Amino acid sequence: GQNIDQPTEMTATEGAIVQINCTYQTSGFNGLFWYQQHAGEAPTFLSYNVLDGLEEKGRFSSFLSRSKGYSYLLLKELQMKDSASYLCAVRDRYNNNDMRFGAGTRLTVKP
Amino acid sequence: NAGVTQTPKFRILKIGQSMTLQCTQDMNHNYMYWYRQDPGMGLKLIYYSVGAGITDKGEVPNGYNVSRSTTEDFPLRLELAAPSQTSVYFCASSPDRGNGYTFGSGTRLTVV
Repeated sequence: GQNIDQPTEMTATEGAIVQINCTYQTSGFNGLFWYQQHAGEAPTFLSYNVLDGLEEKGRFSSFLSRSKGYSYLLLKELQMKDSASYLCAVRDRYNNNDMRFGAGTRLTVKP
Repeated sequence: NAGVTQTPKFRILKIGQSMTLQCTQDMNHNYMYWYRQDPGMGLKLIYYSVGAGITDKGEVPNGYNVSRSTTEDFPLRLELAAPSQTSVYFCASSPDRGNGYTFGSGTRLTVV
């Protein structure tokens, strides 16, 4: 099976940097995804990592270490609109390549 | 380009009633999925489809059925609603396994 763990809640200040961690255990890792979900809305795709290293997309970056079963999402220059839940999801080739989601980290950005 | 469209947005069902949650995508995606999301829990996969005429069970399929007669449509059927099916249901699609999903806006279902 798969275990995907991420902190339940985090708080950060507008303009700051925040790192949201995700650890996973899976037998057939085949990609890690990050999604953003504002309250009452659908998740939206943020990033995808399949090889080790850092992927940067504007203010958002995502890092992967397959040997450690670890990823993080880095948000820079935080804005109030970044207050949302951030979902880590892992695809497993031994599970029909289904994407399994963590419970999400609810980030609150304060002025 | 509407993306993934789900209807209805909200629904209250009585125990034992049946209903169909509709999902349509206009992106010509082969892959479609149904997830449910409960408070404090991750999205759980109910059913998925890799193309018209092909469906398969996900992690939590009991109490649900699906069909995929066209590329565009992937309805989810609840035959005998139970309180445990109170949840937010999301439909999603992707062009293949290697891409992120596009989600619909969700259906909030309450079974009383």
